[in-house]
Amino acid sequence: NAGVTQTPKFRVLKTGQSMTLLCAQDMNHEYMYWYRQDPGMGLRLIHYSVGEGTTAKGEVPDGYNVSRLKKQNFLLGLESAAPSQTSVYFCATNKGQATSEKLFFGSGTQLSVL
Amino acid sequence: GQNIDQPTEMTATEGAIVQINCTYQTSGFNGLFWYQQHAGEAPTFLSYNVLDGLEEKGRFSSFLSRSKGYSYLLLKELQMKDSASYLCAVTDSNYQLIWGAGTKLIIKP
Repeated sequence: NAGVTQTPKFRVLKTGQSMTLLCAQDMNHEYMYWYRQDPGMGLRLIHYSVGEGTTAKGEVPDGYNVSRLKKQNFLLGLESAAPSQTSVYFCATNKGQATSEKLFFGSGTQLSVL
Repeated sequence: GQNIDQPTEMTATEGAIVQINCTYQTSGFNGLFWYQQHAGEAPTFLSYNVLDGLEEKGRFSSFLSRSKGYSYLLLKELQMKDSASYLCAVTDSNYQLIWGAGTKLIIKP
């Protein structure tokens, strides 16, 4: 079992370019999340999904879009990248339902926007 | 606003004990997590506390005081592999997970 797989691991974009980050999980988890991690700050939630076909905004959703067409996949899109979106992006999953459910993270994507 | 405070960096010696503190001010409380994150890697789950008291798991223990808005992670018999960042996160009354910025722990021989 691979767990939670993120692609790509690294990417460099020019301002205004677009890209999609893919998160795939084989844990049969209902809940999936996209976070960004910046130096000196806690993880910040971008968007999340509580099941196939559903998405919701997190703390910092502006400039990002998501889709959850299949239960195992959660895509994060940047339509027009900006330097402020330079960050490390993590996908995470859990069973949801209970507040004690721990998160399982993907290995992260280092994104630089020039 | 909601806030979680942790020391930015701590240094300890191999074989010793270290305590990493976390204080929180959140709108409600539904549990507190500790995660470990090695440099360049993803966070991994360490512990979960929802009731006051100490939870022990091998060399790691986590303590919670809800009345004081305070938790600590205690690491015993430190090993070089424990060099990592330790993230504190609280679930608030809206079931949103609020993260601290993390404490970078440096272990010296």
